[in-house]
Amino acid sequence: ELKVEQNPLFLSMQEGKNYTIYCNYSTTSDRLYWYRQDPGKSLESLFVLLSNGAVKQEGRLMASLDTKARLSTLHITAAVHDLSATYFCAVEPGSARQLTFGSGTQLTVLP
Amino acid sequence: GAGVSQSPSNKVTEKGKDVELRCDPISGHTALYWYRQSLGQGLEFLIYFQGNSAPDKSGLPSDRFSAERTGGSVSTLTIQRTQQEDSAVYLCASSSVGGDTQYFGPGTRLTVL
Repeated sequence: ELKVEQNPLFLSMQEGKNYTIYCNYSTTSDRLYWYRQDPGKSLESLFVLLSNGAVKQEGRLMASLDTKARLSTLHITAAVHDLSATYFCAVEPGSARQLTFGSGTQLTVLP
Repeated sequence: GAGVSQSPSNKVTEKGKDVELRCDPISGHTALYWYRQSLGQGLEFLIYFQGNSAPDKSGLPSDRFSAERTGGSVSTLTIQRTQQEDSAVYLCASSSVGGDTQYFGPGTRLTVL
């Protein structure tokens, strides 16, 4: 059974600081996704990582994938309040298309 | 263009009643997924439809849950004899042929009293 673990689960950070969210998964997969969820809203796709060494960047967020270590990171640079949300990583196992999600990281950026 | 839509947005029902939740995927998307999100269990896969293939029902938690997809487009998730533990937000997603990203709808919040 595929397990996806995120840490930390809760993160409070000051504006302007950097931090990294980690996503570990338990079985071989080359497909990893990051989503953002605002309170009471649905999931918004942030990044799709499809191969070992993939790196994607959008604004203050950068995601990377190491399939050998079964690890993805979401790095936040110079956080701003608008980034406050819950971030989920999700893994697509093997040939199956359904996503297995991590527990989510609730990020709060403080002024 | 239009995204994934779901209805109703909220549904309150009494224990033991049946409910139907509807999902309209993005036009042209052949793959459709149902997930549910609850405080205790997080985000869980329920069922996956791809074109005319038999659906992957491996995530359905019990035989009270079923889903169908008519004409390769709209899907209905049916929960029979609802229980309080069925209370959750039910999310639908769709993706295109060969597409990678699953696009999620706004969800239906189900409350079973």
